[in-house]
Amino acid sequence: QSVLTQPPSASGTPGQRVSISCSGSSSNIGSNTVNWYQQLPGTAPKLLIYSNNQRPSGVPDRFSGSKSGTSASLAISGLQSEDEADYYCAAWDDSLNGYVFGTGTKVTVL
Amino acid sequence: EVQLLESGGDLVQPGGSLRLSCAASGFTFSSCAMSWVRQAPGKGLEWVSHISSSGGSTYYADSVKGRFTVSRDTSKNTLYLQMNSLRAEDTAVYYCARRMVAATAFDYWGQGTLVTVSS
Repeated sequence: QSVLTQPPSASGTPGQRVSISCSGSSSNIGSNTVNWYQQLPGTAPKLLIYSNNQRPSGVPDRFSGSKSGTSASLAISGLQSEDEADYYCAAWDDSLNGYVFGTGTKVTVL
Repeated sequence: EVQLLESGGDLVQPGGSLRLSCAASGFTFSSCAMSWVRQAPGKGLEWVSHISSSGGSTYYADSVKGRFTVSRDTSKNTLYLQMNSLRAEDTAVYYCARRMVAATAFDYWGQGTLVTVSS
C-alpha cells in the first residue's frame, strides 16, 4: 500500500493553474527528496520533477515542484489539454528501505 | 539514445515462476542503479526492487521479499527479475527504470511487460 497520500483527482480549464499535494512522513519526504512522474494513458511513466523542484531537460517550465516538511506539491500553470494524465509523487523511505510512490492523482482538463 | 526493453512477461499459474529481462542500451549500464516498478491493471505504481550499479546491494518491497530476486549482467547490459511463488496479486505490467546518478529519481523507463498470474 502507498505511504504517500495524494488527492485522487484534480481538474481545471485550459490556462488555469492546478496544484497536487503529496503527504508523507519523516521517514520519506521529511528526510529525502521528492520526485514527480506523469503517466499518459497507456504509456510508461515519465519523470517530470526530480530533487523536489528540478525539471529534466525537455519538461516545460509550466510544471514546478516544491517541498515543505513532510509534504510536497506539484503545480501545473497554464493547463493544457495534453496535461491530462495521472501524476505520482515518490521518494525513498528510510524506514522501509525502499522507494515509495504516492496514490496517484488523475488530472482532467475540462 | 537511452533505451530499456523489457521481455519475458507471460501467463503463468499461481505458484509458478518467471524471469523478466530488461535490455539496456545507449548508456554505461555498469554506472547506473536500476529498479523494477509494477502497475496492476487500473492501479497505481508500486516499486518492486532495486539493485545498485555494482550489483552488490539489492532492495525489495515487503510484498515480494523472499520470492523475487533482482540481478544484473554487465557483460550483456541486462537487468533481470526472477519471480518465484507467483500469486494472483503479482499480475501487473512490470517496468524497468534507470535511476539518475545524482538523484533518487528514475529518468528512463522501459515500455513494460505484462505478467498475468492465473489458473
